[in-house]
Amino acid sequence: KQEVTQIPAALSVPEGENLVLNCSFTDSAIYNLQWFRQDPGKGLTSLLLIQSSQREQTSGRLNASLDKSSGRSTLYIAASQPGDSATYLCAVLNSGYSTLTFGKGTMLLVSP
Amino acid sequence: DAGVIQSPRHEVTEMGQEVTLRCKPISGHDYLFWYRQTMMRGLELLIYFNNNVPIDDSGMPEDRFSAKMPNASFSTLKIQPSEPRDSAVYFCASSFRGERNEQFFGPGTRLTVL
Repeated sequence: KQEVTQIPAALSVPEGENLVLNCSFTDSAIYNLQWFRQDPGKGLTSLLLIQSSQREQTSGRLNASLDKSSGRSTLYIAASQPGDSATYLCAVLNSGYSTLTFGKGTMLLVSP
Repeated sequence: DAGVIQSPRHEVTEMGQEVTLRCKPISGHDYLFWYRQTMMRGLELLIYFNNNVPIDDSGMPEDRFSAKMPNASFSTLKIQPSEPRDSAVYFCASSFRGERNEQFFGPGTRLTVL
């Protein structure tokens, strides 16, 4: 059974810092990996999707990498801003299925 | 497209009452998913449909939970009778089985059972 772990569970940084969020998964037979953002009391917004054949994806200040063989992904946020404060969720789409397995998330707080 | 639409956004009910949550997926998507999010367990898949047919309902916690998808544009998740431990945020998501298989989530329904 696929398990997804996110470290750290919470992170507090001052504005302007570059930061890295980590995600690991136990079964490397994945189809893709998605990073989501969730604001308090809100739904999930997809940030980046990396196909299993890809190594990384970039969108603005966000860069996500994938190392399928080691079961790891990182989300790099450059020059963090208070508006980046949210919970970031990692989810893997398991090969042969259509189901996403989610991590518990990293709660990020960026202070002005 | 308006994205995945869920209703109601908030529901407060008393224990023992029937609760029905509704979802309209993105037009053209052939997969629909129901998830539940709690502080303790995070996001969990309850059930998913492909072309309106339930494929995997192993995540449905008890017989009190049921889900239907009568057509490609509508699905319901019903809890009868509801219990306080069912309090959670319920999300609906949809996707198209193509190259990306990206899931798009609705805003969720926050359910409180008193």
